[in-house]
Amino acid sequence: GNSVTQMEGPVTLSEEAFLTINCTYTATGYPSLFWYVQYPGEGLQLLLKATKADDKGSNKGFEATYRKETTSFHLEKGSVQVSDSAVYFCALTLASYGGSQGNLIFGKGTKLSVKP
Amino acid sequence: DGGITQSPKYLFRKEGQNVTLSCEQNLNHDAMYWYRQDPGQGLRLIYYSQIVNDFQKGDIAEGYSVSREKKESFPLTVTSAQKNPTAFYLCASSIEGRRINYGYTFGSGTRLTVV
Repeated sequence: GNSVTQMEGPVTLSEEAFLTINCTYTATGYPSLFWYVQYPGEGLQLLLKATKADDKGSNKGFEATYRKETTSFHLEKGSVQVSDSAVYFCALTLASYGGSQGNLIFGKGTKLSVKP
Repeated sequence: DGGITQSPKYLFRKEGQNVTLSCEQNLNHDAMYWYRQDPGQGLRLIYYSQIVNDFQKGDIAEGYSVSREKKESFPLTVTSAQKNPTAFYLCASSIEGRRINYGYTFGSGTRLTVV
């Protein structure tokens, strides 16, 4: 079946450290891939996305590249800030059409804590 | 500004009572979703609706019910049959047929505590 696997957290970093959160997927077709961020007590916000192989999504200093050969979409940031502390979710969707195949499938989330 | 509004943000109910969580969107999105979030378990899909007057069970629909009488509204009822209802509930919406590019828009969630 289709699934998303994220590295387990929590991840604790010092401010200005380099961040990588691993995400790999299993999919029967050609998915679109997403990273969502959830700040404490809030809903999820779309952070970035990539819709085809070799695309790079980027936003707010975060980047992720859609790697079809390794079925991965790792999230990276060169220098994290305290304000980046949140839970990060990797997700995929197949098919642009209706039906359950198009629903987003989420990883379990990775909690990031950045210390000053 | 367009968005999704969930209310209330915090909700307390006695065990055995039904409770309804509100979700309203003014984004003109076709599809709406309800997720449950528990610590360490990520998001689990309860119900989804792709069009008015139609909805489908997700992975954990038992003990929950929904309705979709209007495009803008997708309320979730947590019934007394739900064995462990204390959780954070998230509502989301999407443009039907365009999830591949746009993903979902989420509300800010309702934290339900059953005492």
